[in-house]
Amino acid sequence: QVQLVQSGAEVKKPGASVKVSCKASGYTFTSYGISWVRQAPGQGLEWMGWISAYNGNTNYAQKLQGRVTMTTDTSTSTAYMELRSLRSDDTAVYYCARLPHPIAVAGSRFAAPDNWGQGTLVTVSS
Amino acid sequence: QLVLTQSPSASASLGASVKLTCTLSSGHSSYAIAWHQQQPEKGPRYLMKLNSDGSHSKGDGIPDRFSGSSSGAERYLTISSLQSEDEADYYCQTWGTGIVFGGGTKLTVL
Repeated sequence: QVQLVQSGAEVKKPGASVKVSCKASGYTFTSYGISWVRQAPGQGLEWMGWISAYNGNTNYAQKLQGRVTMTTDTSTSTAYMELRSLRSDDTAVYYCARLPHPIAVAGSRFAAPDNWGQGTLVTVSS
Repeated sequence: QLVLTQSPSASASLGASVKLTCTLSSGHSSYAIAWHQQQPEKGPRYLMKLNSDGSHSKGDGIPDRFSGSSSGAERYLTISSLQSEDEADYYCQTWGTGIVFGGGTKLTVL
């Protein structure tokens, strides 16, 4: 079965960086993308971006451009998300999710995360 | 601008049915969406993809009690025979230049 296992909780100081890993199993890693989504305490889901594990192409949310980098290691079927210049409002649970590549649907394109990791709590505090 | 609008909360009694709504912004009524469930203190779970014609495909292991339908720009998630474990946040999601989430609906099972 598909599994996405994320690295453990992190506590960081403002201005530092964090790198979260997401190890995939149970499917062909390079046939899908990995999306990253975060959830601040008591808030909804916020999309951060995604990476194609097939060719490494990335698409980041405009809000995070310049601070986030997503990578994959196909030899270990692992995806990584690094967020730099951390601020207190980056405190959140970070989720990775398997993302089928976008397809054409009724004149637009569509993709949806279909398997989620367990989440990684990142706390930014001085 | 592509926006998904959900009511913040809903409630229904144990054993009853409930219909949650997700509304696509103007000009986007043909878009497909997905529904995701997030139980308390857990990560999200993919429920289904829902097309504008009401056809839908569910994720692995999703019970038959969960179904989807569409009308114009509205996308619905119906949960029948409500159980206590259905108490959760439900998010609709679509794709624009990337993933777009609705604000979520908190479902309380009375």
